[in-house]
Amino acid sequence: EVQLVESGGGLVQPGGSLRLSCAASGFTVNSNYMSWVRQAPGKGLEWVSVIYSGGSTHYADSAKGRFTISRDNSKNTLYLQMNSLRAEDTAVYYCASVREGNYFDHWGQGTLVTVSS
Amino acid sequence: DIQMTQSPSTLSASVGDRVTITCRASQSISSWLAWYQQKPGKAPDLLIYKASSLENGVPSRFSGSGSGTEFTLTISSLQPDDFATYYCQQYNTYYTFGQGTKLEIK
Repeated sequence: EVQLVESGGGLVQPGGSLRLSCAASGFTVNSNYMSWVRQAPGKGLEWVSVIYSGGSTHYADSAKGRFTISRDNSKNTLYLQMNSLRAEDTAVYYCASVREGNYFDHWGQGTLVTVSS
Repeated sequence: DIQMTQSPSTLSASVGDRVTITCRASQSISSWLAWYQQKPGKAPDLLIYKASSLENGVPSRFSGSGSGTEFTLTISSLQPDDFATYYCQQYNTYYTFGQGTKLEIK
């Protein structure tokens, strides 16, 4: 059974940094496309970043230059390093596997990031 | 960037009703469209991919159609468990979600 478990969320001041983790079981992260999707309180879903099985990455404009997606194959874990955080980055962050690089078939439970002074 | 627009934003319906949600893309996305259901406090669940293919385990009362720029999600006979928020998502060029449609009990 595929399972994704996020961690690392919390309260951070504007301009601060946070690293989110997503531990996977039931499949290997480096054999799949993996992504981060976020949802601001009371709002819709927003795609943030993807890492392809080959290791290349892509980001939404809102994350470009501030966020870095990566993975540790030995730990079967996906990461999102978030720097220069802003109030508008406040959201629940979900990791998700991307079937055939196209749509999100398995999701974690989400981790809440709050950016506030 | 490809924009996705769903309508309506909110839909009130009763158990047993047939409901349709529409999703429009700002440019052609062929059939590269998925639909998700999300309940409060939970992660989204995949319902349909490639515009009309039903994900394993999803009830057959859910169906999707469309291609190009206009797509629909239809629930043939609403059940109590179906009251939730629904999102479309294009994967023709990276990934974009619609703004969501909240399906409420009338």
